[in-house]
Amino acid sequence: DIQMTQSPSSLSASVGDRVTIACRPSQIISTYLNWYQQKPGRAPVLLIYGASTLQGGVPSRFSGSGSGTDFTLTITSLQPEDFATYFCQQTYSAPHTFGQGTKVEIK
Amino acid sequence: QITLKESGPSLVKPTQTLRLTCTFSGFSLTTRGVGVGWMRQAPGKALECLALIFWDDDKRYSPALQSRLTVTRDTSKNQVVLTMTNMDPVDTGTYYCAHRTVLYSGVWPYDVFDIWGQGAVVTVSS
Repeated sequence: DIQMTQSPSSLSASVGDRVTIACRPSQIISTYLNWYQQKPGRAPVLLIYGASTLQGGVPSRFSGSGSGTDFTLTITSLQPEDFATYFCQQTYSAPHTFGQGTKVEIK
Repeated sequence: QITLKESGPSLVKPTQTLRLTCTFSGFSLTTRGVGVGWMRQAPGKALECLALIFWDDDKRYSPALQSRLTVTRDTSKNQVVLTMTNMDPVDTGTYYCAHRTVLYSGVWPYDVFDIWGQGAVVTVSS
């Protein structure tokens, strides 16, 4: 199985901050990388697919980049509703494994 | 509008079999490219893909759990059922079903779970 490593596991930030989350698969996955947001007690929500394509309805302050084994989710100007846990998922090969998550908390 | 909802027991005993039902609306599981996946999340842990059933009744299972999992569909009822045998306390967690589709970025297709159910909390305890 492809192992997905996210960093950091948690971070504290303020409204308006720029936040960057890294995701590194254990092998090359081209751009087969999705990002999800999950709020406590809620189901995950798809934010980005194909490493960099924003899902419809997702605010443009979210962006994704990377390919191969190095990916990044960036939130420019963090908003109150963005405090949540973010997961990456590879869909290059089955099983489609997830990262352990990055919790974004209010500073 | 696509919606999915998981249902089933919230408490099962060790060695028992878990049966979860995903009831969905807003799409057909006979439409080419569509699937329904099952994931779970143990407390404080990463999401884990368990099983996936496709529009043509093809099925995929987590290699680590394959011997314990069965996924079936009832297209007339718009339901997908996940069965997991020999439950253990380590199987405690929230179980989600989700709509699988293919989204395109330019000409490149990408597998996604774009709509998820609210999740079903399952506790395994005697």
